[in-house]
Amino acid sequence: ELKVEQNPLFLSMQEGKNYTIYCNYSTTSDRLYWYRQDPGKSLESLFVLLSNGAVKQEGRLMASLDTKARLSTLHITAAVHDLSATYFCAAAGGTSYGKLTFGQGTILTVHP
Amino acid sequence: GAVVSQHPSWVICKSGTSVKIECRSLDFQATTMFWYRQFPKQSLMLMATSNEGSKATYEQGVEKDKFLINHASLTLSTLTVTSAHPEDSSFYICSARDNLAGTSKPQHFGDGTRLSIL
Repeated sequence: ELKVEQNPLFLSMQEGKNYTIYCNYSTTSDRLYWYRQDPGKSLESLFVLLSNGAVKQEGRLMASLDTKARLSTLHITAAVHDLSATYFCAAAGGTSYGKLTFGQGTILTVHP
Repeated sequence: GAVVSQHPSWVICKSGTSVKIECRSLDFQATTMFWYRQFPKQSLMLMATSNEGSKATYEQGVEKDKFLINHASLTLSTLTVTSAHPEDSSFYICSARDNLAGTSKPQHFGDGTRLSIL
């Protein structure tokens, strides 16, 4: 059974600082996703990582995937208040219909 | 871009009522749709996989007679919470996979339905 664990679960950081959120998964997965969720809203897709060593960047966020370590990271550079949200990683198993297993989520608060 | 419309966005009803939630893919066809439930400050838990023209596949611990899923067309799946009780109060989110997008593309999520049972 695929399990996904994120840490930290809560993250309070100052504007301008850097930090990394970690996502570990328990068994082989061929796709790793990162999503953002604002309070009371649904999920917004941030990144799809498909292969070992994949790195994707969008603005102040950068995601990477190490399939050998079964680890993905979401790095935040020079945080700004607008990044405050809950971030989820999700791993897909080997099945073709795309069933996702989500991590617990990381609640990020960026303060001045 | 691809849009998934979920309706209604918020429902408040009395205990014992059945509630239907619709999930529509507006500009793509989706043979497969997924239904998730999210309790406050928790992650998304997959409830079931909805397959067009066939029975849904339910995750362990999810009562199929309680959560009825119908996926009668390539653009519409419905989730009916039958005889809802306060413990069914939650945020329900659907997602859909574009048949033409391939497995490398993310699923498209609806805006969610907040269900409150009094």
